[in-house]
Amino acid sequence: AQSVTQLGSHVSVSEGALVLLRCNYSSSVPPYLFWYVQYPNQGLQLLLKYTTGATLVKGINGFEAEFKKSETSFHLTKPSAHMSDAAEYFCAGSSGNTPLVFGKGTRLSVIA
Amino acid sequence: DTAVSQTPKYLVTQMGNDKSIKCEQNLGHDTMYWYKQDSKKFLKIMFSYNNKELIINETVPNRFSPKSPDKAHLNLHINSLELGDSAVYFCASSQEGYRGEGYTFGSGTRLTVV
Repeated sequence: AQSVTQLGSHVSVSEGALVLLRCNYSSSVPPYLFWYVQYPNQGLQLLLKYTTGATLVKGINGFEAEFKKSETSFHLTKPSAHMSDAAEYFCAGSSGNTPLVFGKGTRLSVIA
Repeated sequence: DTAVSQTPKYLVTQMGNDKSIKCEQNLGHDTMYWYKQDSKKFLKIMFSYNNKELIINETVPNRFSPKSPDKAHLNLHINSLELGDSAVYFCASSQEGYRGEGYTFGSGTRLTVV
C-alpha cells in the first residue's frame, strides 16, 4: 500500500533563503506523487505532480521537486522564499489503484 | 466558475443532529472523493466514487453515508452527529480514477459540533 512520510512538521526559513520540504514514499509499484499547498482557511491547491517521464518537475510559484527512485523521495524546493510562501504543504501519493494518500503536512514559516 | 464547489462553507450544529454537505464539480471528472481534515491538519480519505462504484473506507462510521445522484455530484450525509465529527471536510474530483492528474479540491466545509 502506498504511504507518504513528511519529515518535519514545521520548517522555518528566512526570506530569500532556500526552501526544502522533505517527502518520502513507500510503494511496491511506481507511484504518482504530488505536492499541495494550503493557505489558512482555504482548500488545497496543486503545486506540482510527478506521474511519468522527467524526474525533475517544475510547478507553480517557483517550486520544483525531484523524484528519486533510489531514495524513494520527492522533496520540494524553492531557491528563494517569499513571505507569501508561508502555508501548510502536503505531499501525497497514489499507486494508481487507491485514492491519494497524504503525508501529515509541513507548516512553512518565512521570517522577514 | 468554481471547479469543485461545496456548500455550506461553515456548519455549526448540535450533537445528535443530522446534516448534509453538498459537492458539485463542473470539470467532467469521473471520480469524486470525500476527505476529512482533523484539527492537526491530517487529511484522510473517507470515500471515493468512481464510475458508479462506491468505495467505502472501513474506518468511517456508518453514520456517514455518501450519495451520488450523478457523476457531477457527491453529497455527504451524517447522522447522529458527535463532537468528534468536528473537522473540515473536503470534496475532490479527478479524471481517470485514482491515477488522475492531480485531484481538484473544493474549499472545504468546516463542521463544528457543539
